[in-house]
Amino acid sequence: QQQVKQSPQSLIVQKGGIPIINCAYENTAFDYFPWYQQFPGKGPALLIAIRPDVSEKKEGRFTISFNKSAKQFSLHIMDSQPGDSATYFCAASIAGNMLTFGGGTRLMVKP
Amino acid sequence: DADVTQTPRNRITKTGKRIMLECSQTKGHDRMYWYRQDPGLGLRLIYYSFDVKDINKGEISDGYSVSRQAQAKFSLSLESAIPNQTALYFCATSDSGLGQNNEQFFGPGTRLTVL
Repeated sequence: QQQVKQSPQSLIVQKGGIPIINCAYENTAFDYFPWYQQFPGKGPALLIAIRPDVSEKKEGRFTISFNKSAKQFSLHIMDSQPGDSATYFCAASIAGNMLTFGGGTRLMVKP
Repeated sequence: DADVTQTPRNRITKTGKRIMLECSQTKGHDRMYWYRQDPGLGLRLIYYSFDVKDINKGEISDGYSVSRQAQAKFSLSLESAIPNQTALYFCATSDSGLGQNNEQFFGPGTRLTVL
């Protein structure tokens, strides 16, 4: 039973494109929504995170959009680069406790 | 992240064997976790520990056990390995002092193959 559903499983874009990765959650008690980035052969690392009291958060080329009523949030990567090629995981937690991860999206940015 | 180390990095074993995966951290964090990663299923929590005397089952603990030998060390054991435990295993740490910003720091992973 996956409490956080992520789509798509894989995504290919051209350099400069704007890949969008979507996540949906079921538990309305979730109050912290991070995104993790994982390069091949490495462990995941925190990329950006949002709380439900805001609808958008930007850090550099990465933006999280959050829709509390729809129980959905998404990651947008502006001006994507080949170096952004990685696997991205959305996650959710309650009061800073255990993270529940989505299934992951493998992103490839072609030169 | 060199602050969280896992040994071994790769392991091939046979069905029925007992194996142990080890995790050490120099971050001084009190919380430690074990996850397994499978394609399309993301990261699933096996066990977690909020301090040395605290051990909790996660989503998929059957067939696994853990030991928190010290604040810095958290090991995962497969009592009798089976092929569907073939996966990538990650250890992670976090600091309860950060409150609701529960950033987890992951080790480099152990690729386990059970034949």
